[in-house]
Amino acid sequence: ETGVTQSPTHLIKTRGQQVTLRCSSQSGHNTVSWYQQALGQGPQFIFQYYREEENGRGNFPPRFSGLQFPNYSSELNVNALELDDSALYLCASSWGQTDEQYFGPGTRLTVT
Amino acid sequence: GNSVTQMEGPVTLSEEAFLTINCTYTATGYPSLFWYVQYPGEGLQLLLKATKADDKGSNKGFEATYRKETTSFHLEKGSVQVSDSAVYFCALSGGSNYKLTFGKGTLLTVNP
Repeated sequence: ETGVTQSPTHLIKTRGQQVTLRCSSQSGHNTVSWYQQALGQGPQFIFQYYREEENGRGNFPPRFSGLQFPNYSSELNVNALELDDSALYLCASSWGQTDEQYFGPGTRLTVT
Repeated sequence: GNSVTQMEGPVTLSEEAFLTINCTYTATGYPSLFWYVQYPGEGLQLLLKATKADDKGSNKGFEATYRKETTSFHLEKGSVQVSDSAVYFCALSGGSNYKLTFGKGTLLTVNP
């Protein structure tokens, strides 16, 4: 059974640029949630995708957007990057809408 | 809205000492409660969970009891090891999409 994977591992971008982060869910899982973890803080819920549709969103602006593909992998897109977007971005997958979520290793984004 | 407050630390202990990390929560309804652990440079791993009042979650010598009357879910371990050094997050899940709400995390360092 393959766990949750994320790519890339690290990324450095300049303020104003756009970035796409990718997540492959654990085998058999059809739900993906994205979280932002700023340095020294707990993860904050960005949004969730269930069966290719957004299923709930946290307190993040519209420049944070996502997609889920038919194979249940997912992308997080962030436009017009700001310095405060520097964080570890975590993806978690689950089967259906359940609290048993399994996390990937994260993508470390640095915005300069 | 939902929130989690946990002892921020850092906490420094000697090997074989007793560990307690306090966690209290505010939530509507009856959330599930979790402790996650994050080792340096890694994503989150589920340590234990409890889904209803008076449930005790346990794993790897760690325990936590869901106390509805005090809205608490304190993490305990009788004898810590150097390998337990990590950041510990208390979390709850709630809402139709079971999104996780995390505390800010507690850094634990265990010295030999």
